[in-house]
Amino acid sequence: DAGITQSPRHKVTETGTPVTLRCHQTENHRYMYWYRQDPGHGLRLIHYSYGVKDTDKGEVSDGYSVSRSKTEDFLLTLESATSSQTSVYFCAISEFKDRGNEQYFGPGTRLTVT
Amino acid sequence: RKEVEQDPGPFNVPEGATVAFNCTYSNSASQSFFWYRQDCRKEPKLLMSVYSSGNEDGRFTAQLNRASQYISLLIRDSKLSDSATYLCVVNSQEGYQKVTFGTGTKLQVIP
Repeated sequence: DAGITQSPRHKVTETGTPVTLRCHQTENHRYMYWYRQDPGHGLRLIHYSYGVKDTDKGEVSDGYSVSRSKTEDFLLTLESATSSQTSVYFCAISEFKDRGNEQYFGPGTRLTVT
Repeated sequence: RKEVEQDPGPFNVPEGATVAFNCTYSNSASQSFFWYRQDCRKEPKLLMSVYSSGNEDGRFTAQLNRASQYISLLIRDSKLSDSATYLCVVNSQEGYQKVTFGTGTKLQVIP
């Protein structure tokens, strides 16, 4: 299995509080992604990174920010959590080679906003 | 039309059966395709990449039909351990960072 960890694995927080989720990889892959998964929607891209300090928005980026100060770490921040951000968050990594964008996922973080 | 569409199922099949899932995609310029497997409350795991006309890995065969814009996954001799949700993933441009996930097809293999 790819060396990807996410922390925390579970979190319950209150509306309006800031929350930071961490993704850590030991594979030295260039690309890192944050997704959320909700019933009926599949996985949706929040933000991604194509290198240290290089990030871009995905399809559901409103209310989220990211930072990548080191190759191995990609942080996702909910500036002021809302109940609509209750979800399962997955981090993924990839390294484009001759097999395209094969992505490998971390174990996920279950976030509940009350 | 959704970018990537899958029949949500569930597909309930007996052990030993052969089962096939299809996934349609809307962007004719799509370049690469993948099947992922996701167990309940777990992360998606790459099952197969699908290139050109398709490929085979043991009991699993993936096919690509560009003319009709769909990919398929065939599972032969189904095992109880194959029970999972199978996600279709499409990468629109070669080298492009973003992919689109289907919502998945649920498979339940019955003893």
